[in-house]
Amino acid sequence: AQSVTQLGSHVSVSEGALVLLRCNYSSSVPPYLFWYVQYPNQGLQLLLKYTTGATLVKGINGFEAEFKKSETSFHLTKPSAHMSDAAEYFCAVSESSARQLTFGSGTQLTVLP
Amino acid sequence: GAGVSQSPSNKVTEKGKDVELRCDPISGHTALYWYRQRLGQGLEFLIYFQGNSAPDKSGLPSDRFSAERTGESVSTLTIQRTQQEDSAVYLCASSSPGQYNSPLHFGNGTRLTVT
Repeated sequence: AQSVTQLGSHVSVSEGALVLLRCNYSSSVPPYLFWYVQYPNQGLQLLLKYTTGATLVKGINGFEAEFKKSETSFHLTKPSAHMSDAAEYFCAVSESSARQLTFGSGTQLTVLP
Repeated sequence: GAGVSQSPSNKVTEKGKDVELRCDPISGHTALYWYRQRLGQGLEFLIYFQGNSAPDKSGLPSDRFSAERTGESVSTLTIQRTQQEDSAVYLCASSSPGQYNSPLHFGNGTRLTVT
């Protein structure tokens, strides 16, 4: 069975500081991993995804995530936070045999001026 | 249309009433999903449609919940005899055919409040 754990329901960083949002997964087979973002009053949109190949994945708005099989992690990072990055971020996992994504509980990112 | 459209955007109903939520997926997307998002919680899978295959209803929380899809287009999620714990944002998403790891395109959701 697949599952996702996001550590920290709320994360605050200063503008210009490093953003690190943690995600650990559980999967019995090689997973497909996703990060989705939900800006205020908007629907969820895909930020980036890992399927196969390179373990460091780059997404929109300067975000990237690294798939670490040994740590069962897929943490999201951005070197320098912008005010516009304030949003809720969801990590999700899908196994090849599954037909649905399993989402984490989300992390609300606040960017302080 | 350009994206996934959901209606209504907000719905307030009295406990015990039935409600119907509508989703118009992106044209050409054969996969359609319903998720529920309770306040402060993650997305909870409800049901999945893929083309003409039998839907995956494994996430529906009770027999008060049902969903239908007309061909590869509109879907409706019906909640009968609503309860206060049904209050949540109901999200619909669609994705491209033939790829189970395709990204989901979400609508803006229907915020349901049961009083």
